Amino acid sequence: DAKTTQPPSMDCAEGRAANLPCNHSTISGNEYVYWYRQIHSQGPQYIIHGLKNNETNEMASLIITEGRKSSTLILPHATLRDTAVYYCIVRVQGSSGGYNKLIFGAGTRLAVHP
Amino acid sequence: DVKVTQSSRYLVKRTGEKVFLECVQDMDHENMFWYRQDPGLGLRLIYFSYDVKMKEKGDIPEGYSVSREKKERFSLILESASTNQTSMYLCASRLGGVGELFFGEGSRLTVL
Repeated sequence: DAKTTQPPSMDCAEGRAANLPCNHSTISGNEYVYWYRQIHSQGPQYIIHGLKNNETNEMASLIITEGRKSSTLILPHATLRDTAVYYCIVRVQGSSGGYNKLIFGAGTRLAVHP
Repeated sequence: DVKVTQSSRYLVKRTGEKVFLECVQDMDHENMFWYRQDPGLGLRLIYFSYDVKMKEKGDIPEGYSVSREKKERFSLILESASTNQTSMYLCASRLGGVGELFFGEGSRLTVL
């Protein structure tokens, strides 16, 4: 099972910041937090990932709380094209040791409205 | 840009048929993955491969097998398709152990 908890859905007004929360209370010290999104009828798209420090790229910012039990993905100026399902994922160590797999949960369905 | 190509966007098969889903990536990635996606269940990992001829079971491998004879190609095989394997199948690749997954567009399989 996925080791993350996200709200099933959120709304955001176009042009406003979208803040998507994720709880990962059982995260281990060497596990990364990844965010992906999936626009309808497309494959998932990578957004950002981080370990301890906050991260920012051209798409979003990732804020990881001290203690790393939760994080927030921030889309600073949401557009209609950001309407998608957003997945927060913790990297899980594979059983063969050293080869990692990503386990996806149900995600948050973000609806950006005019 | 990395491209992950899945051979078919839509397939319709009959129960008991053998089904091959092909995935090719063009960036020399070591890791390749097969997921299935069903409403309300998110993406579930079926199998992954970290090198040619190497494979590892994911969370739901039953009823599936895989083949990785060449680095760029990872095939998912349904030996005897069943209706509960009707789903969206997503292939992904990644360069190493850390970093982003690149996904294909998906193959929607319907088993009648």
